[in-house]
Amino acid sequence: EAQVTQNPRYLITVTGKKLTVTCSQNMNHEYMSWYRQDPGLGLRQIYYSMNVEVTDKGDVPEGYKVSRKEKRNFPLILESPSPNQTSLYFCASSLSPGPNLYEQYFGPGTRLTVT
Amino acid sequence: AQSVAQPEDQVNVAEGNPLTVKCTYSVSGNPYLFWYVQYPNRGLQFLLKYITGDNLVKGSYGFEAEFNKSQTSFHLKKPSALVSDSALYFCAVKKASKIIFGSGTRLSIRP
Repeated sequence: EAQVTQNPRYLITVTGKKLTVTCSQNMNHEYMSWYRQDPGLGLRQIYYSMNVEVTDKGDVPEGYKVSRKEKRNFPLILESPSPNQTSLYFCASSLSPGPNLYEQYFGPGTRLTVT
Repeated sequence: AQSVAQPEDQVNVAEGNPLTVKCTYSVSGNPYLFWYVQYPNRGLQFLLKYITGDNLVKGSYGFEAEFNKSQTSFHLKKPSALVSDSALYFCAVKKASKIIFGSGTRLSIRP
């Protein structure tokens, strides 16, 4: 089954404790992206990757890091989480950054709480 | 700057009635516009797109959207609402290598 998986689905952590949210897709997609969803703000893009070893900042990259060493994986790293990073996070992928960019496949989401 | 606006936080419709979820856009050049739906505890799912051509585009689950250039709108519509259509709907626009999402509209269909 074609899918985007994220782990963990739920995470409660404390300020300053480094964490990684994993994202993996099995569709051989080139383009991958991370979003955060906050009430009243919709989805805002954190980082995206056009292909392996190619990443770029989205609209809200501060406090986050990403890497793309393999095509299928795109982990999101919070080196020193803060309470304002409490949010619902989605990973997404699409076939290419070109004409098919709009048809993104989303993971189930990771609900992160930072206390 | 490319952006979309969803003026309604919530839309309530009775089952069987037509529904409209509103979206207006602000873009330079020709817009690439999309609708996504988010069911409870799920990620977003692509519904439909407007790239070029016919102003009325059809998508999944019986939804359609009308592109109106003069009013800079891309409203989502369905002739007869189902309770199962209750979800969060996002309008979006393509900006370079990114998709910019609106703030979302919660659609509630009452039996």
